[in-house]
Amino acid sequence: AQSVTQLGSHVSVSEGALVLLRCNYSSSVPPYLFWYVQYPNQGLQLLLKYTSAATLVKGINGFEAEFKKSETSFHLTKPSAHMSDAAEYFCAVSGGRDDKIIFGKGTRLHILP
Amino acid sequence: GAVVSQHPSRVICKSGTSVKIECRSLDFQATTMFWYRQFPKQSLMLMATSNEGSKATYEQGVEKDKFLINHASLTLSTLTVTSAHPEDSSFYICSAFPVAEAFFGQGTRLTVV
Repeated sequence: AQSVTQLGSHVSVSEGALVLLRCNYSSSVPPYLFWYVQYPNQGLQLLLKYTSAATLVKGINGFEAEFKKSETSFHLTKPSAHMSDAAEYFCAVSGGRDDKIIFGKGTRLHILP
Repeated sequence: GAVVSQHPSRVICKSGTSVKIECRSLDFQATTMFWYRQFPKQSLMLMATSNEGSKATYEQGVEKDKFLINHASLTLSTLTVTSAHPEDSSFYICSAFPVAEAFFGQGTRLTVV
């Protein structure tokens, strides 16, 4: 069975500051890990994914995440927040091809001017 | 890249009627598709796994007689919400995970009045 825990349902950072969204996972098989962003009344957009290759994954819009097996973590970071980053972010885990994707509860990112 | 097309994007129906949502894989074959539901300000919850040529697998607490899933071909899965009630109003999203990446439909916003 797989699960994801996102720490912090709401995170606020100042524009230009570091963004850190935390995600811990549980998986009985080598995991595929994802970060998605969702803007209001829209679908999901993939930010980045980990599929057992490089542990440091770079995604779109300056986001990156590091897979740490020892900590069962896959935290999302961005060096400098932009107002347009304000959205809901979901961490997700899967066992791979044709396996279901399990989502965390989400973290709402607020950007302060 | 691979595309999953979901239709309709929005639908309003009267209480007691049925609504069908289609999910198509446009450039790949999907033996397995997944259906999620997202209530406002909540995460995506897996409803069921749609298997081509066989019965769908429903998650605990999801009424299989209310949410009928048909996966008659390798490119089409449908979700029919039967005898819809206002509490069924939600955002429904389909997904397929054919290779190393999952693909999501644009979602269907169902409003039952």
